[in-house]
Amino acid sequence: QQPVQSPQAVILREGEDAVINCSSSKALYSVHWYRQKHGEAPVFLMILLKGGEQKGHEKISASFNEKKQQSSLYLTASQLSYSGTYFCGTDRLDSNYQLIWGAGTKLIIKP
Amino acid sequence: NAGVTQTPKFQVLKTGQSMTLQCAQDMNHEYMSWYRQDPGMGLRLIHYSVGAGITDQGEVPNGYNVSRSTTEDFPLRLLSAAPSQTSVYFCASSPSERQPQHFGDGTRLSIL
Repeated sequence: QQPVQSPQAVILREGEDAVINCSSSKALYSVHWYRQKHGEAPVFLMILLKGGEQKGHEKISASFNEKKQQSSLYLTASQLSYSGTYFCGTDRLDSNYQLIWGAGTKLIIKP
Repeated sequence: NAGVTQTPKFQVLKTGQSMTLQCAQDMNHEYMSWYRQDPGMGLRLIHYSVGAGITDQGEVPNGYNVSRSTTEDFPLRLLSAAPSQTSVYFCASSPSERQPQHFGDGTRLSIL
């Protein structure tokens, strides 16, 4: 089952903050976050693993609530370069590492 | 350092034709995967491989075959193209499972 991302889209002014959420109905081992700009390939942002380990960029922060199977990506002091579509990929405990991806959150940053 | 290279970048096929999408990586990654991305949707896993000689089905494997004879190459074969296979196809690789994936630039495939 596909994880649910919210919101579907958000428009910000440069410098504002945003939170993107990803929720799964299944128990997760890890959550992966990627950003995709129009016409380009997805680019890795962050991996959050069960147990608290994180791998990713220093300027990106995220959380993973293992009890609720939810993850949130925090974008602070947004820059124009943050624009794009953000996808979460969920790694379920019962799936032998097959990432199931959400439909994406489109982020538009205006000057 | 090329990373993940996909060819071709664009392709138009007629229904019933077959073709192979090529994917090569030069990072000595064990894990490779093929995804399709349809408009307004996330990525869907077609097939994946955890090493040379080992492949497995993903979420949407029907109509596609893969093989992994070398660490570097992971071709995706469309057996008999159907309009429902019109999509953007991405190949990705990572050192192992649960590591950051590096994506190729994608192949935009249209089936008429």
